[in-house]
Amino acid sequence: DQQVKQNSPSLSVQEGRISILNCDYTNSMFDYFLWYKKYPAEGPTFLISISSIKDKNEDGRFTVFLNKSAKHLSLHIVPSQPGDSAVYFCAASAYNNAGNMLTFGGGTRLMVKP
Amino acid sequence: NAGVTQTPKFQVLKTGQSMTLQCAQDMNHEYMSWYRQDPGMGLRLIHYSVGAGITDQGEVPNGYNVSRSTTEDFPLRLLSAAPSQTSVYFCASSRSGVTDTQYFGPGTRLTVL
Repeated sequence: DQQVKQNSPSLSVQEGRISILNCDYTNSMFDYFLWYKKYPAEGPTFLISISSIKDKNEDGRFTVFLNKSAKHLSLHIVPSQPGDSAVYFCAASAYNNAGNMLTFGGGTRLMVKP
Repeated sequence: NAGVTQTPKFQVLKTGQSMTLQCAQDMNHEYMSWYRQDPGMGLRLIHYSVGAGITDQGEVPNGYNVSRSTTEDFPLRLLSAAPSQTSVYFCASSRSGVTDTQYFGPGTRLTVL
């Protein structure tokens, strides 16, 4: 049973508009969450993270929101650019394994149309 | 800096063959890990290491062995390849643990016939 789920396999948005990527988790021990971005034929690259003591973290065009009661996080990209087209993975770490293991969601493919 | 390097980029094996996927990093990172990526499954942790001489199992360790004799290298060994091990394999490293930024290698695409 997947502990981290990204229920939308793909998302298409127009350039300049907002992209919202969603992620749900089931393990209440998760206390640190990350988003990674992946282009074809490359390894994932770190995008942004959030600790469970916060409900929002912002870095330029990227903002991650965490709703602990709903076990839900989302990544907002504003404004979206064609170069943002990639697969986005959310990932979570639990405090009971000392920050040594990441659990990934299945990914969402974002397509930003010019 | 080369970052995280992986060899080979592509490999085809027959069922029952063994092989080693190489991973090296030049950032003096203590934490290294191996993931496999399968369609719709995201990345799943196979094994990880928190320092030279220390390794531990991840989510899907069966059929794989690792060792960490140096800080720089973290090879992944397939003992007897099976078609279920057809996947893309990524190695990653970070200063210490997964809450630090992990740097991923470019991946090895493995096909087991």
